[in-house]
Amino acid sequence: GNSVTQMEGPVTLSEEAFLTINCTYTATGYPSLFWYVQYPGEGLQLLLKATKADDKGSNKGFEATYRKETTSFHLEKGSVQVSDSAVYFCARMDSSYKLIFGSGTRLLVRP
Amino acid sequence: EPEVTQTPSHQVTQMGQEVILRCVPISNHLYFYWYRQILGQKVEFLVSFYNNEISEKSEIFDDQFSVERPDGSNFTLKIRSTKLEDSAMYFCASSDPWTFSNQPQHFGDGTRLSIL
Repeated sequence: GNSVTQMEGPVTLSEEAFLTINCTYTATGYPSLFWYVQYPGEGLQLLLKATKADDKGSNKGFEATYRKETTSFHLEKGSVQVSDSAVYFCARMDSSYKLIFGSGTRLLVRP
Repeated sequence: EPEVTQTPSHQVTQMGQEVILRCVPISNHLYFYWYRQILGQKVEFLVSFYNNEISEKSEIFDDQFSVERPDGSNFTLKIRSTKLEDSAMYFCASSDPWTFSNQPQHFGDGTRLSIL
């Protein structure tokens, strides 16, 4: 079916550690892919996006590369900060332009 | 930067009562959406709306749900007879039809609906 699968959280890291949150998708064709972030008590904010294979989305030190061979869009950051603590959602756009979200991964960064 | 605004931020309602959640999409957007997020779970699509009619709805969006754009600015979600399982965060979103793939929906901060 058409879905988005994320690694389960919570992910707990120390400040300045390297972050990877895995995301894979199933879809027909090559959908646009997104990472959204939800800070505590807030709504969903677009973090980054990639619209075609091999595109790299980046924002605020986060990166994700659209890999069609592995149908993945893993989120990475070289050095996390306490302020990055949030829930991260991977999403893809389907043919009718609605977003299909993964289950979310909670990141907790400790000082 | 333009924002999607939702009111109220928190709504507490007795089971069986009707509730209306309100949204003001970004002014030049033409596609509107409602999503919901049950506590601790994934964000799920409910309905999309374009040109004054529903474009698509999910299995969740049964006869108890309806959407309306009563004027040029508001977009509402109505639940006629609320159930306990309707307790969730409800997100409104809007999008510009010319930039679907590059700039997907802009989300509001959500309305937390608590059914007692």
